[in-house]
Amino acid sequence: AQKITQTQPGMFVQEKEAVTLDCTYDTSDPSYGLFWYKQPSSGEMIFLIYQGSYDQQNATEGRYSLNFQKARKSANLVISASQLGDSAMYFCAMEASGSARQLTFGSGTQLTVLP
Amino acid sequence: DADVTQTPRNRITKTGKRIMLECSQTKGHDRMYWYRQDPGLGLRLIYYSFDVKDINKGEISDGYSVSRQAQAKFSLSLESAIPNQTALYFCATSDTTGLNQPQHFGDGTRLSIL
Repeated sequence: AQKITQTQPGMFVQEKEAVTLDCTYDTSDPSYGLFWYKQPSSGEMIFLIYQGSYDQQNATEGRYSLNFQKARKSANLVISASQLGDSAMYFCAMEASGSARQLTFGSGTQLTVLP
Repeated sequence: DADVTQTPRNRITKTGKRIMLECSQTKGHDRMYWYRQDPGLGLRLIYYSFDVKDINKGEISDGYSVSRQAQAKFSLSLESAIPNQTALYFCATSDTTGLNQPQHFGDGTRLSIL
C-alpha cells in the first residue's frame, strides 16, 4: 500500500519569497510517480509538476520545482517568487506502477501568500 | 469547453434520495476515476474504470455504484444518500501510457445531503 504524508496543514509566505511544501511518501514499489496538484478556493484540481522515481534530475516547471530525495522518500514542492494567486491548497500524490494508476493523495497544505 | 465535465456542479438533496453524478470527457482517455474529497482527508478513490467493460472498486466504494456508459461517460450513483456522503466529488481521466501522465480532473460536484 502507498501512503503520502503532508505534515503542514497551513503555511504562510510573504509575497515574492520562496516557500517549500513538504511531502513524504511510503511505497514498496520500485517504480512510482509523484505529482503535485493545486486546488484554489474555487475547487478545481490543477496539475503542477511530476517526478518519476527513476528521474535523475529534479523536476522543474516555471516557478515550481520539486526537491526529490529518494533515500529520504521525500518530494517537497518549492514555489519561488510567491504570488498572491498562489494562495491555495496543495496536494502531493503518488502513483505506483502496480497500483493500476490509482493516485494516493496526502491531506494537503493550505498556503496563504501575504501581501 | 472543459475536457472533463461534471454535472451538476452543486446539488442539495435529502437523506434517502437516489442521486446520480455524471462525468463526460473529450480527452479520449480510456481510464476514468471517481474521487471524494472531505476536509482534512485529501482525495479518496471511490471507483475506477479502465474501459467500458472494466469497473473496479476503490478505497471507499461502499454506498456507491458506477456505470460506464461509453468511453467518454462515467456516472456515479448514490442509491440512498446519507448525510456523511456530503462531500466534494471529482471525476478524473488518465491516459494509458506510463506513469508520467497526470490525471485530469473535472471541476468537481459539491454534494450536500440533509
